[in-house]
Amino acid sequence: SQTIHQWPATLVQPVGSPLSLECTVEGTSNPNLYWYRQAAGRGLQLLFYSVGIGQISSEVPQNLSASRPQDRQFILSSKKLLLSDSGFYLCAWNLPTGTQYFGPGTRLLVL
Amino acid sequence: AQKVTQAQTEISVVEKEDVTLDCVYETRDTTYYLFWYKQPPSGELVFLIRRNSFDEQNEISGRYSWNFQKSTSSFNFTITASQVVDSAVYFCALRGYSTLTFGKGTMLLVSP
Repeated sequence: SQTIHQWPATLVQPVGSPLSLECTVEGTSNPNLYWYRQAAGRGLQLLFYSVGIGQISSEVPQNLSASRPQDRQFILSSKKLLLSDSGFYLCAWNLPTGTQYFGPGTRLLVL
Repeated sequence: AQKVTQAQTEISVVEKEDVTLDCVYETRDTTYYLFWYKQPPSGELVFLIRRNSFDEQNEISGRYSWNFQKSTSSFNFTITASQVVDSAVYFCALRGYSTLTFGKGTMLLVSP
């Protein structure tokens, strides 16, 4: 069966510091991978998605970037965090035309 | 462009009441998929159900049931005999030929 992991679970970072969130999927090959952010007010915002290694599509221009160095690994990064980057970050995967499944999420607080 | 509307932002019920969560969608895609997810206080989005646009058969799973009406572009979710553990935010979502589009969610609070 497939599982999706995210770490860290919780992160408190000062403004201006770098960020690296990691997501890995097990039990499948060539998944589509996604990063979402959920700020206060609970709406889900799609940040990035990837259909293959090195292929990244950005939905919203911002202070963040994403990379996919391996088939089942998806990384969300920032060089300098802003207060507005605080939120709940969710990684998700699906096979083409399949159901999207979500990881446990990372709560990021930027102070 | 795709759009999903969950007009109910918050619903409060007492345990054992039935509750229906509304979802209305817009899409120009001829083939699409509809989903419901549950987000408990822990935060993880839990997949509940998926329906294909060509399958309007309603579905019942235990206390959960879903009513898909293509004529009114609605995909409503009913919880029968609600329980405290049903308290969560529920999201309706739509995927056509591109990425998944979520509604803003409905927070359901079930009190004992």
